[in-house]
Amino acid sequence: QSALTQPASLSGSPGQSISISCTGSNSDVGSYSYVSWYQQHPDKAPKLIIHDVTDRPSGASDRFSGSKSGNTASLTISGLQAEDEAHYFCSSYTTSATWVFGGGTRLTVL
Amino acid sequence: QLQLQQSGPGLVKPSETLSLICSVSGDSIRDSSHYWGWVRQTPGKGLEWIGSVFHTGSGSGYYNPSLKSRLTMSVDTSKSHFSLRLASVTAADTAVYFCVRQAWTGYFDYWGQGALVTV
Repeated sequence: QSALTQPASLSGSPGQSISISCTGSNSDVGSYSYVSWYQQHPDKAPKLIIHDVTDRPSGASDRFSGSKSGNTASLTISGLQAEDEAHYFCSSYTTSATWVFGGGTRLTVL
Repeated sequence: QLQLQQSGPGLVKPSETLSLICSVSGDSIRDSSHYWGWVRQTPGKGLEWIGSVFHTGSGSGYYNPSLKSRLTMSVDTSKSHFSLRLASVTAADTAVYFCVRQAWTGYFDYWGQGALVTV
């Protein structure tokens, strides 16, 4: 199974909005609404911030939002804050009954 | 609040078996709406899903095809823990291993603290 494709790095200034893309195929992102997003700070476990494409778990900031179009899912962070500086990973269910992750995006807040 | 606490050796010799246990507290491991699984992370390959098992039956679940032949996963409801065994390890299996709780739609909502296993 191939990893989902994410930009390796992105940056933004405080207060800005940024979007992170997650591109898969008809075998994963394009076939299911089972895309999730995770935030990981250094030396910490990943934390779920979006599930089922658009849903936020209890406790996740409402500045995080998710969407999907065709084979590409996106995570948008609005009102960027210093604490948002982290790695972000997407994940999707696949037609092979497996789960696949994206390679991760390092977000820098300038 | 659910907590996942991992335990196991941090160093395994090549060709031997990697064994990890994840203890569940704060909720029932018999929860019918979730799987229990493992994810690993390496600097080069990022996050990799290993497998997910249900609480009924030994090993009933889903496995990463690239690892399946070497994998044994099980849930012990009497001890409220689940386990991972990966046989015939090589240097490529060196990673930080996370235990996770996984919802039916596949998202990983709780993660263990992570454990570096070096082969």
